[in-house]
Amino acid sequence: AQKITQTQPGMFVQEKEAVTLDCTYDTSDPSYGLFWYKQPSSGEMIFLIYQGSYDQQNATEGRYSLNFQKARKSANLVISASQLGDSAMYFCAMRERNQAGTALIFGKGTTLSVSS
Amino acid sequence: NAGVTQTPKFQVLKTGQSMTLQCAQDMNHEYMSWYRQDPGMGLRLIHYSVGAGITDQGEVPNGYNVSRSTTEDFPLRLLSAAPSQTSVYFCASSTSGGSLYEQYFGPGTRLTVT
Repeated sequence: AQKITQTQPGMFVQEKEAVTLDCTYDTSDPSYGLFWYKQPSSGEMIFLIYQGSYDQQNATEGRYSLNFQKARKSANLVISASQLGDSAMYFCAMRERNQAGTALIFGKGTTLSVSS
Repeated sequence: NAGVTQTPKFQVLKTGQSMTLQCAQDMNHEYMSWYRQDPGMGLRLIHYSVGAGITDQGEVPNGYNVSRSTTEDFPLRLLSAAPSQTSVYFCASSTSGGSLYEQYFGPGTRLTVT
């Protein structure tokens, strides 16, 4: 079974609008972290935001916020006031505490296209 | 402080050739990992290391070897390249300890096997 599921292969939004990118996860480890990365066409992986499983509040970083619903096992990324530069691939990822290497498990990604 | 560096950035190999992708970090991180990224597949873990002298397999280890003789370096070896290994390879590092937070990625190596 997939541990990270991103069901939206592509999303389209206009500049200045908000957009939500969906992510659901599956784990039995009570201690885990959830991450969102942005990958522009240049290829590098850019860290956006992190949510710990024990964090009481939803994480926010500038225009990015993470809508964390623990009971539903969802960790959706919300981008407010989209900009043309937000056009990229976005990956949701998880790290479980009981994974010895603490490597990340990635979803398949969502391509976001922002138009003017 | 260079972070995570990878060399080369691009490489073309012929089927059956061997090569080593280099990865180095200067942050004194204990954990290092190799991922491959294929279209529509996201990033998948190849091998990882929790410290010098300790490595283990990830989700897709076949055809790759790793070693970790120092904290700084974590090379990935392709023993006999195959077209199925055409991919973008990312190295990453992170700290151990209480935080699940920090993981740093290198810029990637784009490998084509013909």
